Amino acid sequence: AQSVTQPDIHITVSEGASLELRCNYSYGATPYLFWYVQSPGQGLQLLLKYFSGDTLVQGIKGFEAEFKRSQSSFNLRKPSVHWSDAAEYFCAVVPPLGGYQKVTFGTGTKLQVIP
Amino acid sequence: EAGVAQSPRYKIIEKRQSVAFWCNPISGHATLYWYQQILGQGPKLLIQFQNNGVVDDSQLPKDRFSAERLKGVDSTLKIQPAKLEDSAVYLCASSTQGPDKTFFGQGTRLTVV
Repeated sequence: AQSVTQPDIHITVSEGASLELRCNYSYGATPYLFWYVQSPGQGLQLLLKYFSGDTLVQGIKGFEAEFKRSQSSFNLRKPSVHWSDAAEYFCAVVPPLGGYQKVTFGTGTKLQVIP
Repeated sequence: EAGVAQSPRYKIIEKRQSVAFWCNPISGHATLYWYQQILGQGPKLLIQFQNNGVVDDSQLPKDRFSAERLKGVDSTLKIQPAKLEDSAVYLCASSTQGPDKTFFGQGTRLTVV
């Protein structure tokens, strides 16, 4: 079955530390891959996306993600976390072939940042 | 550019009552989505419109949920009668020309007591 998995429900990091959030997908072909952020009381905001080409993609707010086909992964990283990064992060996929391009989300990882 | 507007922001109802949510997408966006986000879970697509036609409602509980998009612009999502498990945030999104052009509203938080 097609799915997207975020293994970590909750992660706590210290401000200034590096961050990596994991995302794995299971699809017949490589889907389009996204990371969204949802701050408390806010809508979902697109951080970055991967369609094809360079496997390291840069996004907004200093985030980057690396696509690894061999591992079916698309992990999100940030070298130095700021307190304002505390939020919930969702990995999402869209099937690559035709259709109306429905976005399917993972279960999310809640990031807590401590001083 | 104005974003996706949703109302109300919060709603508390008793079980078996009915409730309706409204969404105004970004101007010119042909595709409109309603997602349900239960606490601790990722958003789940309920229904997707292309203009005023439904293209995917496979996960919409049709015995109690209904949605319409009149004139291909605004949309309403209705629940009748509500159950406790319908407590969630209902997100509306709209898009044009590609999956990276999807924008989300702030959502309506529904609490069923």
